[in-house]
Amino acid sequence: DTGVSQDPRHKITKRGQNVTFRCDPISEHNRLYWYRQTLGQGPEFLTYFQNEAQLEKSRLLSDRFSAERPKGSFSTLEIQRTEQGDSAMYLCASSSLLLASGSLTDTQYFGPGTRLTVL
Amino acid sequence: AQKVTQAQTEISVVEKEDVTLDCVYETRDTTYYLFWYKQPPSGELVFLIRRNSFDEQNEISGRYSWNFQKSTSSFNFTITASQVVDSAVYFCALSEAGQGGSEKLVFGKGMKLTVNP
Repeated sequence: DTGVSQDPRHKITKRGQNVTFRCDPISEHNRLYWYRQTLGQGPEFLTYFQNEAQLEKSRLLSDRFSAERPKGSFSTLEIQRTEQGDSAMYLCASSSLLLASGSLTDTQYFGPGTRLTVL
Repeated sequence: AQKVTQAQTEISVVEKEDVTLDCVYETRDTTYYLFWYKQPPSGELVFLIRRNSFDEQNEISGRYSWNFQKSTSSFNFTITASQVVDSAVYFCALSEAGQGGSEKLVFGKGMKLTVNP
């Protein structure tokens, strides 16, 4: 299996510009998650999809943020009118619900992240 | 609300020393999942282990071992005979059990391990 991929790996933008990131999950994984990680902190949950449905959004996800997963495969995260406080690593993870020995298992595998710098 | 506390922020050891990374969690759920991830300097989070709240068996995988104790809400991680390649930031994480298995992860702040030759 190829892992989760994210594009671009790095993005430098000026304040006020819009940016879009893409995440390609592991093939056939039906769940996709977005997290944000700032320096010295653990990742914080932003939103998640099961297939094409966006099931949960964090309060961290302001109106300037929007995420889509139109066909239940890849996902995009767009930030409009970027602010310096948006500078962070944006991580994508995917998972698949498996049935093993009667148990539900679901482990998130992460991509390499997109590092955003807003000047 | 869920919370994960990794009290140690940074540890430095010499190669071949054993090191234990502490993790304490808070949750009101009776069914939950605990995880450890490794984040090397390259930045990608690498999955190490997942543990169901009903399974308190300790686990060993090579030089890695995990001690899960519900009585103290702890899920500690020990690296035996540490190596330079173990140098990374290690995160403990917790998730609730949703209808379809675990869902969003709540991470601790991470613990930076430096293993010196």
